[in-house]
Amino acid sequence: TQLLEQSPQFLSIQEGENLTVYCNSSSVFSSLQWYRQEPGEGPVLLVTVVTGGEVKKLKRLTFQFGDARKDSSLHITAAQPGDTGLYLCALRLIQGAQKLVFGQGTRLTINP
Amino acid sequence: DTAVSQTPKYLVTQMGNDKSIKCEQNLGHDTMYWYKQDSKKFLKIMFSYNNKELIINETVPNRFSPKSPDKAHLNLHINSLELGDSAVYFCASSQGRSGYTFGSGTRLTVV
Repeated sequence: TQLLEQSPQFLSIQEGENLTVYCNSSSVFSSLQWYRQEPGEGPVLLVTVVTGGEVKKLKRLTFQFGDARKDSSLHITAAQPGDTGLYLCALRLIQGAQKLVFGQGTRLTINP
Repeated sequence: DTAVSQTPKYLVTQMGNDKSIKCEQNLGHDTMYWYKQDSKKFLKIMFSYNNKELIINETVPNRFSPKSPDKAHLNLHINSLELGDSAVYFCASSQGRSGYTFGSGTRLTVV
């Protein structure tokens, strides 16, 4: 059983459309990070959300942390081909040694 | 100037061979990690070192042995390679509660 579930797993849309991807857990977590991974590269940190209900914006990307701190969403406005990539959410487990646990990712393709 | 660099980028080898992957970070971070990404793109932690001390070993087969000569380096040696070891291996580093900085990965193919 995955600690983090991401949906959808695959998403292919046209340039200019809006989209939302989701990250859910049955557990409450203290903070959550979103990463983007492009082919042939490692994941790159986009944002960390910490407070329930928190909203952070990164240009056309809007990240929200659920009020109960069990879920998060990433909304992209007017998607562009450069947004294509694998979007990963991750939570930091703090019991014992700290480690980052990843969801299975959403593979996003933006078609010109 | 690459923050986390790992070599080689690609590694193709036969079953039964022994191989090593090297990783270096120039960020001054205290903690380094090895992650494995399978064909479905699922990233799973293998090992973590903090200031050269092993702190996480996630039920990885004994054929995998990490070594950290200093806090800027974390190498991964794999003995008796198996077909199932084929994957992309990522090195990463972090400091405190910051996000992780990943290398660009080593694609290992065992034939």
